[in-house]
Amino acid sequence: AQTVTQSQPEMSVQEAETVTLSCTYDTSENNYYLFWYKQPPSRQMILVIRQEAYKQQNATENRFSVNFQKAAKSFSLKISDSQLGDTAMYFCAFMKLGSSNTGKLIFGQGTTLQVKP
Amino acid sequence: DAGITQSPRHKVTETGTPVTLRCHQTENHRYMYWYRQDPGHGLRLIHYSYGVKDTDKGEVSDGYSVSRSKTEDFLLTLESATSSQTSVYFCAISPGTGTFYEQYFGPGTRLTVT
Repeated sequence: AQTVTQSQPEMSVQEAETVTLSCTYDTSENNYYLFWYKQPPSRQMILVIRQEAYKQQNATENRFSVNFQKAAKSFSLKISDSQLGDTAMYFCAFMKLGSSNTGKLIFGQGTTLQVKP
Repeated sequence: DAGITQSPRHKVTETGTPVTLRCHQTENHRYMYWYRQDPGHGLRLIHYSYGVKDTDKGEVSDGYSVSRSKTEDFLLTLESATSSQTSVYFCAISPGTGTFYEQYFGPGTRLTVT
């Protein structure tokens, strides 16, 4: 079975600074996706970034980038130039791929990020 | 935004009563999912559906049942609600078939069982 662990329950960062959220996962699969989701106080789940395991290049979406270390099973999220609107809970998630894929997501426990003015 | 709604958005019910939550989509997506969100656990899959009348269990399915009689609707039923089922429930949809990463979430339903 796959597991996803986020070891930082809460973090804070000053506006305009950079912060990194950690995520580790455990799987014996070789073909999978990893995701970071953002959940602001509105409770809406918003996809931030996606990484395909077969791609060595780290995914980037504007101010958000990941450091994907497949051998170490690590998938951290870096937020550059933090903005007040980045204040939210962030979830790391794993999705197994393959012929029996059903799109099920396995989530970490979440990290609450507060951006301070 | 993907056309996905959940009803009700908030509900308070008593222990032992039946409760049904509804997820409705207008995207004609094949896959639908029910997750629950609890502090310290993130989101956990309850049940999912891969087509009309085709459903399967997730990791926390005890005490829950689901039904999908139409592509657009996926119902989650708590046959006899317990306090441990107090949670926020999210529905998600996905087109499937190579595009599972396109998974969209509904706004959530906050359920309180007293």
